[in-house]
Amino acid sequence: GQSLEQPSEVTAVEGAIVQMNCTYQTSGFYGLSWYQQHDGGAPTFLSYNALDGLEETGRFSSFLSRSDSYGYLLLQELQMKDSASYFCAVRDNAGNMLTFGGGTRLMVKP
Amino acid sequence: DSGVTQTPKHLITATGQRVTLRCSPRSGDLSVYWYQQSLDQGLQFLIHYYNGEERAKGNILERFSAQQFPDLHSELNLSSLELGDSALYFCASSVDGDIQYFGAGTRLSVL
Repeated sequence: GQSLEQPSEVTAVEGAIVQMNCTYQTSGFYGLSWYQQHDGGAPTFLSYNALDGLEETGRFSSFLSRSDSYGYLLLQELQMKDSASYFCAVRDNAGNMLTFGGGTRLMVKP
Repeated sequence: DSGVTQTPKHLITATGQRVTLRCSPRSGDLSVYWYQQSLDQGLQFLIHYYNGEERAKGNILERFSAQQFPDLHSELNLSSLELGDSALYFCASSVDGDIQYFGAGTRLSVL
């Protein structure tokens, strides 16, 4: 089976940097993904790491350490619109399913 | 717009009833995934279809079933509905499973 742990809430101020962590236990690992979900909205894909290291896309970066079963999502220059829930997810080797963590609710304050 | 279309957006029904949720994947995507999200909960994987064939099942109740048709659209059937089935139901489509594109969801309220 697969399980993922994420902190439930994080609060940060506009313009700051925030890091949201994800630890996982899997029977087979193929990659770690990150999704953003605004209240009442659909999850949208942010980033994917299959190999160790940092992936950067604009203000968003995602990091993976396979040896530590750990990853994080880094958001820079926080904006109010970044207030949302952020989910990490792992896919099984066959690509047949994604298992999501419980999500971290990010609140950005002025 | 993700390119994934789900209908209806909202559904209100009574306990014991049966409903059908519909999903049209992005053009070219052969995989369709269904997820359930209860209030303030994470996304629970229900089932995955690839080109008409069932590929994986998650914690899907026996009262729930799904299928994918030759035109690749998919339907999720929920029967003998209970109050606890009230949730957001999302479908997602993908080419390779690495990146999933989610529809806007169907909000089901069972009264």
